[in-house]
Amino acid sequence: ETGVTQTPRHLVMGMTNKKSLKCEQHLGHNAMYWYKQSAKKPLELMFVYSLEERVENNSVPSRFSPECPNSSHLFLHLHTLQPEDSALYLCASSQGPGYEQFFGPGTRLTVL
Amino acid sequence: AQKVTQAQTEISVVEKEDVTLDCVYETRDTTYYLFWYKQPPSGELVFLIRRNSFDEQNEISGRYSWNFQKSTSSFNFTITASQVVDSAVYFCALSEERSSGDKLTFGTGTRLAVRP
Repeated sequence: ETGVTQTPRHLVMGMTNKKSLKCEQHLGHNAMYWYKQSAKKPLELMFVYSLEERVENNSVPSRFSPECPNSSHLFLHLHTLQPEDSALYLCASSQGPGYEQFFGPGTRLTVL
Repeated sequence: AQKVTQAQTEISVVEKEDVTLDCVYETRDTTYYLFWYKQPPSGELVFLIRRNSFDEQNEISGRYSWNFQKSTSSFNFTITASQVVDSAVYFCALSEERSSGDKLTFGTGTRLAVRP
């Protein structure tokens, strides 16, 4: 595997379910990110991890819980989501501030 | 606060036409970075270019070229002799070194449709 991978690619869940999104980067980067992309809205940064420490939480509701066990892996744990949370969730990694971010293919999430 | 404006929501051209995508940014930092990304229908954002605020040289890569002008706070992207495979949403983005480091602020994107 090369670049940034995300699983699953598609996820349908009910409002009471608990699920997790997984991201893995094979680029040796130190920083990882979660973004949300909704229809007709700009890309929204959710979380930033640098050297496995969370450095930014962009006012994200607590029903989204990130986890970064090491510099190559990033998870987004989901619980009691709302239909308006349906979106494309993108993971990215970079060498650090100011460097380009490389994105994964995204997880298309639908909350029923 | 940093802001990126892509005023063109959608552009439609016929194959082989040249097309320019506009990007205007706002920042208070003297050191910042500008980016362009391409998002094809598959959804994955593909990195195209990174430019720092001290390098105003225009850049050409194949059919792609970028015009960075600090005087007008613009970082425009031109595709020469467009092809159907260029159809995608293109995003301009900005990060400020001092105030937000890791934070990329994206514009709302320009959807480019290239017709055969």
